[in-house]
Amino acid sequence: DAGVTQSPTHLIKTRGQQVTLRCSPKSGHDTVSWYQQALGQGPQFIFQYYEEEERQRGNFPDRFSGHQFPNYSSELNVNALLLGDSALYLCASSLGDRGPKNIQYFGAGTRLSVL
Amino acid sequence: AQSVTQLDSQVPVFEEAPVELRCNYSSSVSVYLFWYVQYPNQGLQLLLKYLSGSTLVKSINGFEAEFNKSQTSFHLRKPSVHISDTAEYFCAVSLRGQGTGKLIFGQGTTLQVKP
Repeated sequence: DAGVTQSPTHLIKTRGQQVTLRCSPKSGHDTVSWYQQALGQGPQFIFQYYEEEERQRGNFPDRFSGHQFPNYSSELNVNALLLGDSALYLCASSLGDRGPKNIQYFGAGTRLSVL
Repeated sequence: AQSVTQLDSQVPVFEEAPVELRCNYSSSVSVYLFWYVQYPNQGLQLLLKYLSGSTLVKSINGFEAEFNKSQTSFHLRKPSVHISDTAEYFCAVSLRGQGTGKLIFGQGTTLQVKP
């Protein structure tokens, strides 16, 4: 049973560029949440996707956008990258409204470095 | 709004000694409580959770945490630590009932187990 998978594992970009991160949820899960973890900090909620719609959003600017596909996989897009966007981006999957949605399973993350 | 405070940023301890990692939360509504562990260069792994029932919850690797509603705490304990327990530990909450299961994390506590 595959867990949550994220790609790529590492990414280096320059300021102003755009980046796309990808996530495949755990088998059977239909909900994907994205978190940003800055160095030395706890993860911060970016947004959550369920049934291909953004269901909830944290305190992040519109430069951060996402998408969920019919197979429940998801993408996180960040435009006009800033140095402060350098972080570990974590994807978590859960069962949405069909189960204990508070139980989230995390991927290993994508480490984004903005130079 | 909800918030989580982990009272110690670093906890150094010798192998086979007991340890307690402290977590306090603030919320005007009932919450679920979680502890996650993050090993170097990895994502988050769910260590244990409190959803309902007994206020003392235990993990398979010897950790336990007790939900104290009056003190709004969910401290993590282990009677005897191993070198392999060295990691970052995060306390988190999410809202009970309706909601998306969004997790709110503390800043993390680094557990350093010394031989």
